[in-house]
Amino acid sequence: KNEVEQSPQNLTAQEGEFITINCSYSVGISALHWLQQHPGGGIVSLFMLSSGKKKHGRLIATINIQEKHSSLHITASHPRDSAVYICAVGLKAAGNKLTFGGGTRVLVKP
Amino acid sequence: KAGVTQTPRYLIKTRGQQVTLSCSPISGHRSVSWYQQTPGQGLQFLFEYFSETQRNKGNFPGRFSGRQFSNSRSEMNVSTLELGDSALYLCASSLVYPSGGIQETQYFGPGTRLLVL
Repeated sequence: KNEVEQSPQNLTAQEGEFITINCSYSVGISALHWLQQHPGGGIVSLFMLSSGKKKHGRLIATINIQEKHSSLHITASHPRDSAVYICAVGLKAAGNKLTFGGGTRVLVKP
Repeated sequence: KAGVTQTPRYLIKTRGQQVTLSCSPISGHRSVSWYQQTPGQGLQFLFEYFSETQRNKGNFPGRFSGRQFSNSRSEMNVSTLELGDSALYLCASSLVYPSGGIQETQYFGPGTRLLVL
């Protein structure tokens, strides 16, 4: 079993819809990161969380440490949100090195 | 501030050759991490450097090595290339040392796409 599991693997939404991506992990972490990767490969760090909730524009990230679960929400989705979203955790037992989920490919249709 | 830069952006090599990739972090950032991304394995941590010292290492064979210079620029080297080494190699920099117990946002470079024939 992977230490970091993301769901769904693929997601298609209509412009304007609310999108939720989930991330579950099985080990102790120091922080959880949400990353965005557009075609071409560039990765942008969206959020780094160790507790609670963070919001940036139309993006909201939450984490529940007790349940070892995080969600990334995109409100009023737009075609420019089409990308792969990757959850990564810093593993306490491994010197906080990042371990990555498999990614969620999001396509927002106009 | 300029972002993280990686050179070269694209590279084609043949099996058995070696390759050196370069990463220049954001000015003032002292930590550089390297990652490999393949369609089959996804993103995997290679190693992390801080102040010219390797602080953390992923589960890769010894053919993968790296170093960091006094100006925080970093290089990674892959010797005796194999077909499976074809991947996107990403580096990321952060202000402080992530493995030191403080999590910092990592800023990623555009990557070097390596094709091994």
